[in-house]
Amino acid sequence: AQKVTQAQTEISVVEKEDVTLDCVYETRDTTYYLFWYKQPPSGELVFLIRRNSFDEQNEISGRYSWNFQKSTSSFNFTITASQVVDSAVYFCALSEAYQTGANNLFFGTGTRLTVIP
Amino acid sequence: EPEVTQTPSHQVTQMGQEVILRCVPISNHLYFYWYRQILGQKVEFLVSFYNNEISEKSEIFDDQFSVERPDGSNFTLKIRSTKLEDSAMYFCASSESEGLGEETQYFGPGTRLLVL
Repeated sequence: AQKVTQAQTEISVVEKEDVTLDCVYETRDTTYYLFWYKQPPSGELVFLIRRNSFDEQNEISGRYSWNFQKSTSSFNFTITASQVVDSAVYFCALSEAYQTGANNLFFGTGTRLTVIP
Repeated sequence: EPEVTQTPSHQVTQMGQEVILRCVPISNHLYFYWYRQILGQKVEFLVSFYNNEISEKSEIFDDQFSVERPDGSNFTLKIRSTKLEDSAMYFCASSESEGLGEETQYFGPGTRLLVL
């Protein structure tokens, strides 16, 4: 069965600090996809990144970076030089590759990040 | 930039009433989804829809729920007889490609449903 664990329920950092949000997943599939979504206080879900299980290269996008390690089943998300606008709930999610049909996302419980000015 | 839209943004209803939540997916997308998020909890999958039929559904998606694509643009979620525990944010999502998990699902802004 698939499972996504975000052990950090809430994190507070002071502006300009770096912060890492942890995500650990479980799946029996050899092909799967991992996602991060941001949910700001306004409530919408904003797509941040998708990685497939065959690509363990780390990715950097501006102040955001992602560290995917299959050996530890982790897909961690780091925000460098955090800003107040980064305050949100961040969800890690997993999608397994089926042969046909749509593939639903399994979400973690989310990490609420508060960046203090 | 194309986006998923949802109406209404908020809905208040009495227990036992029927509600219909509406979504307009991104126009060239093939797969459609409904998720819900009870306040303060994680986002949970309800149902996926492809080629005018349900592709997959979760345990939450019981006989009280139904989905429909009544025309070429709208995708609706109906709750026949709402219960207090149906109070949640309901998200619609859509994705472009034909499965295999690689597609990115883009979410609408959500409809906050409150059942009194």
